[in-house]
Amino acid sequence: GQQVMQIPQYQHVQEGEDFTTYCNSSTTLSNIQWYKQRPGGHPVFLIQLVKSGEVKKQKRLTFQFGEAKKNSSLHITATQTTDVGTYFCAGLGEYGNKLVFGAGTILRVKS
Amino acid sequence: DTAVSQTPKYLVTQMGNDKSIKCEQNLGHDTMYWYKQDSKKFLKIMFSYNNKELIINETVPNRFSPKSPDKAHLNLHINSLELGDSAVYFCASRTGYTQYFGPGTRLTVL
Repeated sequence: GQQVMQIPQYQHVQEGEDFTTYCNSSTTLSNIQWYKQRPGGHPVFLIQLVKSGEVKKQKRLTFQFGEAKKNSSLHITATQTTDVGTYFCAGLGEYGNKLVFGAGTILRVKS
Repeated sequence: DTAVSQTPKYLVTQMGNDKSIKCEQNLGHDTMYWYKQDSKKFLKIMFSYNNKELIINETVPNRFSPKSPDKAHLNLHINSLELGDSAVYFCASRTGYTQYFGPGTRLTVL
């Protein structure tokens, strides 16, 4: 079945440093989504990428979808303490009807 | 206004008991889900309903039984609770491919 791998599992950064999490799927995806879960909270939708090679930005967050539509990344520039949480990618297979979530990357920011 | 709500927020119970978690969404979405998040934060889909019909049923013990009385509600009943059922259970609803999660129910089985 479809698998979505996400690395790293944890990342501790100093406030102001950059952060990147990577997502790889075992199969080609029709789209990939990113969610953020604050400590004690629930996953909240951030963005969806659909096109091969697509790049989208939300303020300090940059999302990329690979050319082969099998990998994606989320990059945060100049992290802030408000960025703390777990970031999940979730991929929808070309013929699937369910999102498969990556294991998430837990981001901690030291001020 | 709460988009996806769940009750209860916390549930502490003994092994062997039966419990239910309720979920309601006021977004008008046709599709709803139950996810289980374990202690390592891994999110795993359990069930999905579309307009009251079961469309996804992952490899979940049959002690777990979802029920959707209407498309705005999706409840989860768990029989004979086991220690390994301890987790956070999230309900979600979907529009397009975007999912909206409820606040979660933290289930602790003692």
